Amino acid sequence: EAQVTQNPRYLITVTGKKLTVTCSQNMNHEYMSWYRQDPGLGLRQIYYSMNVEVTDKGDVPEGYKVSRKEKRNFPLILESPSPNQTSLYFCASSSAYNEQFFGPGTRLTVL
Amino acid sequence: KNQVEQSPQSLIILEGKNCTLQCNYTVSPFSNLRWYKQDTGRGPVSLTIMTFSENTKSNGRYTATLDADTKQSSLHITASQLSDSASYICVVSRVDKLIFGTGTRLQVFP
Repeated sequence: EAQVTQNPRYLITVTGKKLTVTCSQNMNHEYMSWYRQDPGLGLRQIYYSMNVEVTDKGDVPEGYKVSRKEKRNFPLILESPSPNQTSLYFCASSSAYNEQFFGPGTRLTVL
Repeated sequence: KNQVEQSPQSLIILEGKNCTLQCNYTVSPFSNLRWYKQDTGRGPVSLTIMTFSENTKSNGRYTATLDADTKQSSLHITASQLSDSASYICVVSRVDKLIFGTGTRLQVFP
């Protein structure tokens, strides 16, 4: 089944404790991206990647890092999480300008 | 400024009724326009994608229209069902990025 998976689905952590949210897709898509969704603000892009070893900042990249060492994986790294990074995070993938497939989401709470 | 505005913010209808959601955009250069359905706490799922030359596209009971001249799109839902309760997000694609609307929250009651 074609899908985008994210782990963990739920995470509660404390300020400053490094964490990684994994994202994997099995559709051989070149394009992957990370979004955060907050009430009243809609989806905002954090980082995106056009292909392996190619990443670029989205609209809200501060406090986040990403890497794209393999085509299927695109982890999101929070080196020192802060409470303002409490949010619902989505990973997505697509080929070129075609339909984006979203993962199930990761709900992160930073205390 | 590249923006996507949706109206209404929220909508309540009775099961079986039709409804229309609106999307106005000021994104340039335009590549395509997408409508997504997002159930609470889940990832968005694509309903339709329309390019500049397409005026209408259907996906079951969902029909999207696009007027590229006025930069307006609508999503019409026919014979609504309880499972249509969700947020509907309009997304306009530039060549380099996607611009998201904040969505319309639809609630369908029996």
